Amino acid sequence: GENVEQHPSTLSVQEGDSAVIKCTYSDSASNYFPWYKQELGKGPQLIIDIRSNVGEKKDQRIAVTLNKTAKHFSLHITETQPEDSAVYFCAASPGGYALNFGKGTSLLVTP
Amino acid sequence: EAGVAQSPRYKIIEKRQSVAFWCNPISGHATLYWYQQILGQGPKLLIQFQNNGVVDDSQLPKDRFSAERLKGVDSTLKIQPAKLEDSAVYLCASSFPSGGTNEKLFFGSGTQLSVL
Repeated sequence: GENVEQHPSTLSVQEGDSAVIKCTYSDSASNYFPWYKQELGKGPQLIIDIRSNVGEKKDQRIAVTLNKTAKHFSLHITETQPEDSAVYFCAASPGGYALNFGKGTSLLVTP
Repeated sequence: EAGVAQSPRYKIIEKRQSVAFWCNPISGHATLYWYQQILGQGPKLLIQFQNNGVVDDSQLPKDRFSAERLKGVDSTLKIQPAKLEDSAVYLCASSFPSGGTNEKLFFGSGTQLSVL
């Protein structure tokens, strides 16, 4: 089955700096790669996703890149704000099947 | 639009007791998932329903866990008997439309289970 590795497990940045979280996946059949943000006491919330026919996608301060050859994808957050502090999860799916999640990255943005 | 509803919010039981969790997905969402999230880890799929049929239950510990989705809407997840290692947050998610395509999952807030 699909195995998703996520790094780093914790990340601390100064407000206004950029944050990058990286994930690798094992199943070459995976074609859908979402990112979720989970705040304390809440369920994960989708923030951005990318499909295998696209190399990059951007939504305001958030961007995701995908390298299918290397089987890795990354989340980029620019101009970080304290409200970006949360746990971020990457996931992969071979289409029509449930998501396989990474172990998460705890992001702390300090003022 | 109402989100995915789950109850109870918290549950504390002793080992070997039984417990049940309830989920009401977003209206019209055909696919429903139960995930287990152990502290410090990502969610792990337990079972996936398409309407009221099971799509994937390969990671469900069937000797103690059971789930049903009657009438293709609400779902219940049961653990009997519970073990200490079942302590986790149980997340319900739903997605639309049905079958064959990548679907965006919408999660509820989860039920936090503590087994003592």
